[in-house]
Amino acid sequence: GAVVSQHPSRVICKSGTSVKIECRSLDFQATTMFWYRQFPKQSLMLMATSNEGSKATYEQGVEKDKFLINHASLTLSTLTVTSAHPEDSSFYICSASGHPEGGYTFGSGTRLTVV
Amino acid sequence: SQELEQSPQSLIVQEGKNLTINCTSSKTLYGLYWYKQKYGEGLIFLMMLQKGGEEKSHEKITAKLDEKKQQSSLHITASQPSHAGTYLCGAGRGGSNYKLTFGKGTLLTVNP
Repeated sequence: GAVVSQHPSRVICKSGTSVKIECRSLDFQATTMFWYRQFPKQSLMLMATSNEGSKATYEQGVEKDKFLINHASLTLSTLTVTSAHPEDSSFYICSASGHPEGGYTFGSGTRLTVV
Repeated sequence: SQELEQSPQSLIVQEGKNLTINCTSSKTLYGLYWYKQKYGEGLIFLMMLQKGGEEKSHEKITAKLDEKKQQSSLHITASQPSHAGTYLCGAGRGGSNYKLTFGKGTLLTVNP
């Protein structure tokens, strides 16, 4: 079946630094990738949608200069949290579509803690 | 925008009991996805429903789509501790290049 690998699974960084999260589709070409944010005991909030080779489409209220998304190839998308602050601490999950069987495949998530 | 309401928000059952989780959409459902999530982990795909009246089963989990009511239900038969987790329904616009909107989830606890 479809597999999406997300790294790192956990990261702790200092305020003001940047963190990059990778999302790779291992056995299919991901035409579209999605980035979500999840707060404790809450549902997933879509941050942005990215298509390979084009600029990401951000949801209302998401700062595109703070959350940089790059989808340079059909198997890799990255989310960079720039100048991270404690309020950016959250669980970030990516998902990818494009598998021949259809549907959406999710990564295992990244727990970001900004101290 | 489409909104999904899940009920109940949380559920505690005794092992062996049956249970049902509902997901109601504010708009027409073109594609409804069910996922399971353990705390701090990614989403595990359960089932996808697209046609009104469609019903799918996998092991002890059955999902139905009532398109007219813009509602889907997830039924677990003879629950086990391994079924514990948060169940999320997600709705799209029919094609997998469109974003999914999720409900707030139903936290299921199964007591042995």
